[in-house]
Amino acid sequence: AQKITQTQPGMFVQEKEAVTLDCTYDTSDPSYGLFWYKQPSSGEMIFLIYQGSYDQQNATEGRYSLNFQKARKSANLVISASQLGDSAMYFCAMSRSRYNFNKFYFGSGTKLNVKP
Amino acid sequence: GAVVSQHPSRVICKSGTSVKIECRSLDFQATTMFWYRQFPKQSLMLMATSNEGSKATYEQGVEKDKFLINHASLTLSTLTVTSAHPEDSSFYICSARGDWGETQYFGPGTRLLVL
Repeated sequence: AQKITQTQPGMFVQEKEAVTLDCTYDTSDPSYGLFWYKQPSSGEMIFLIYQGSYDQQNATEGRYSLNFQKARKSANLVISASQLGDSAMYFCAMSRSRYNFNKFYFGSGTKLNVKP
Repeated sequence: GAVVSQHPSRVICKSGTSVKIECRSLDFQATTMFWYRQFPKQSLMLMATSNEGSKATYEQGVEKDKFLINHASLTLSTLTVTSAHPEDSSFYICSARGDWGETQYFGPGTRLLVL
């Protein structure tokens, strides 16, 4: 069974500091994708970053980077220089390989609060 | 690019009525669309996966006769909650995936309240 674990229900970070949101996964598939989404209070799910299981380098998108450690099955999200607008729920997700329509498995989420 | 719209954003209906929610990919053709349900302070729960022109694949425990999904074109999928009851009140959110990758792009969601 596929499983995504986010062990931090809530996190606080000071504005302008970096923060790491943890995500571990469990799968026996050789090919999979890892994703992070941001969900503000409005409810929309905003795609942040993607890492493929065969990617050699860690993904980066602006202030977001994904610390991918395949052997440890972790895919932590690092947000640098936190901003007040970063306060939201963050979900880690994993997709299976293409034959299963790339169905997503979501973690339970981490609520990030950025303090001024 | 990769914009997904969802309509309506909010709906209040009486118990026993049916509600239709539309999900559209605005600037790409969606190979696959997904429907999720989210309860307050919880994660997203996948309800079903739909591919254009074929029957939806429902997750275990989701009643297909209760939640009718129609994927009529490569840019439109609809979810109809039939004979809605108060326990169907929830946040319903769709996503769409193109044929270029695995990323799902989400609509803004629909808040359903059944009285």
